[in-house]
Amino acid sequence: QKEVEQDPGPLSVPEGAIVSLNCTYSNSAFQYFMWYRQYSRKGPELLMYTYSSGNKEDGRFTAQVDKSSKYISLFIRDSQPSDSATYLCAVNNNAGNMLTFGGGTRLMVKP
Amino acid sequence: EPEVTQTPSHQVTQMGQEVILRCVPISNHLYFYWYRQILGQKVEFLVSFYNNEISEKSEIFDDQFSVERPDGSNFTLKIRSTKLEDSAMYFCASRQQYEQYFGPGTRLTVT
Repeated sequence: QKEVEQDPGPLSVPEGAIVSLNCTYSNSAFQYFMWYRQYSRKGPELLMYTYSSGNKEDGRFTAQVDKSSKYISLFIRDSQPSDSATYLCAVNNNAGNMLTFGGGTRLMVKP
Repeated sequence: EPEVTQTPSHQVTQMGQEVILRCVPISNHLYFYWYRQILGQKVEFLVSFYNNEISEKSEIFDDQFSVERPDGSNFTLKIRSTKLEDSAMYFCASRQQYEQYFGPGTRLTVT
């Protein structure tokens, strides 16, 4: 079983839609959860960082963690064409340790 | 806003040659990382570095790889004898607290 899994997409939505991106993980030892955005051939850009179960909001982005289901989500409100990118979830079991990444979900927001 | 920088952006080398990839982490960060991403695949952890020594490394980081912090600002990854399968994007990351910030990457092409 893969440690971190994401649907590769692509996920295509119209501008202004609410986007839901999801990730599952297998190891209950993972405690820290991150979402990164990666444009083509660029470095991952940190969007959100969460520690516990629950929601965390930052502007148009909301990260949600359900440790009991080993399921993490990123919601994007009022999506824009500039949000078109690959979204990577990443986890680790201790702050600052090596990150384990999912394969990423490619999002396309059409004007 | 401070950011991680990497040079060169693209390196082409012949199989068997040595390469050195360079990174300048964010100035007040103390923890440094190298990751790689083979085209179309996940971002994979290589090594972490703190207080002038390796703190963690993956199975990928074998004897052909080494890291160094030669001065107060640079952090380097050396591959002693490159193989075709070393072709990938190499990302440097750094952190002060919990969140890891990534550089733009060096695309290494081994021919």
